[in-house]
Amino acid sequence: QVTLKESGPGILQPSQTLSLTCSFSGFSLSTSGICVSWIRQPSGKGLEWLATICWEDSKGYNPSLKNRLTISKDTSNNQAFLKITSVDTADTAIYYCARNWFLDYWGQGVMVTVSS
Amino acid sequence: DVVMTQTPVSLSVSLGGQVSISCRSSQSLVHNNGNTYLSWYLQKPGQSPQLLIYKVSNRFSGISDRFSGSGSGTDFTLKISRVEPDDLGVYYCGQGTQYPYTFGAGTKLELK
Repeated sequence: QVTLKESGPGILQPSQTLSLTCSFSGFSLSTSGICVSWIRQPSGKGLEWLATICWEDSKGYNPSLKNRLTISKDTSNNQAFLKITSVDTADTAIYYCARNWFLDYWGQGVMVTVSS
Repeated sequence: DVVMTQTPVSLSVSLGGQVSISCRSSQSLVHNNGNTYLSWYLQKPGQSPQLLIYKVSNRFSGISDRFSGSGSGTDFTLKISRVEPDDLGVYYCGQGTQYPYTFGAGTKLELK
């Protein structure tokens, strides 16, 4: 059974760094062909892909967030991570992690609010 | 970036009816390897999106055959037949052919 669960700080202030963790089970990020992606959704709006990391450590980033994103993984502990630097109110959203390029399994999402 | 344009923005349907949602991409979604990485997702109210269709026409595990995907190149369609109450929500198309992955703006399916 494949499951994913996101965790994060809940609330943070502008200019801080957002650190998110995706803990998963039922698959391994060391298995050929497996990737984990991060996607976010502001309240009442659509989906925005942020980043993907794959089994062989290849990574892809959304250039709209310029150099603010860093994705990484801990294969031994079945986790993937996303850091977003210099957050502002526009980064307030639900953040999801999902498996593979076609996002076959999603986590429940974690709400992140950026507010002073 | 590949722009995904979904139409209509919203749809009203009677239970048991049939609907189609269109998704057009600004560039061909055919990958160098010959595959077309176009997927469809449904987000029910208060839930995470769920995968319905991948690679244009492949139904994901457990998805009813009332859902069907078709299309090629830049023009794709999701059809839902015999609409049930559990089908209501927002449908998104998404492309995974090239970074950055992009999604359509969504189509809200409501009851008439």
